[in-house]
Amino acid sequence: DTGVSQDPRHKITKRGQNVTFRCDPISEHNRLYWYRQTLGQGPEFLTYFQNEAQLEKSRLLSDRFSAERPKGSFSTLEIQRTEQGDSAMYLCASSSPHEQYFGPGTRLTVT
Amino acid sequence: RKEVEQDPGPFNVPEGATVAFNCTYSNSASQSFFWYRQDCRKEPKLLMSVYSSGNEDGRFTAQLNRASQYISLLIRDSKLSDSATYLCVVNTGNTGKLIFGQGTTLQVKP
Repeated sequence: DTGVSQDPRHKITKRGQNVTFRCDPISEHNRLYWYRQTLGQGPEFLTYFQNEAQLEKSRLLSDRFSAERPKGSFSTLEIQRTEQGDSAMYLCASSSPHEQYFGPGTRLTVT
Repeated sequence: RKEVEQDPGPFNVPEGATVAFNCTYSNSASQSFFWYRQDCRKEPKLLMSVYSSGNEDGRFTAQLNRASQYISLLIRDSKLSDSATYLCVVNTGNTGKLIFGQGTTLQVKP
């Protein structure tokens, strides 16, 4: 499968725990995006990488959130001290010049 | 006010019906426009780009009115398989960041 992959697909955690998600983009894509989607809403932009450089962060990305793309390939999104409001689908996308391709998402449930 | 606004629906239509979705965006500097389709608990997938001249792909027609900051999607001869959420999306800058509307839910019934 040459599409965008994300791991894990589902994560249940207790409030206050740290979680980390991984995204593997399509190999030739330089641009990588993270979005968050809550029930009944469209995805909301979190952050963007051009190769290994994080070039934009949304104000939604509080100081508990950090994202990396250390070698310009895969990316990780870490949430520290999770809160119930962090429960959402976290989507990763990589981009050709004309289209963003989304991964299947990681569904986070904070109990 | 949200940057991209859509009527969330749901739109319940019979097979074979024609249905239209509308969307407005607030940033006049928006550069690119799209409709994405999202099936339940799946990722969004590009349905079609939207051009100022209007464009058609089979049963789907998209229109853009830059002066009114208005985007539309028309689906003709609806199929059961068209049941999904349709997301209106704009791109406002060179980063490629996408701004999504809330989505409009379509349910096509036999």
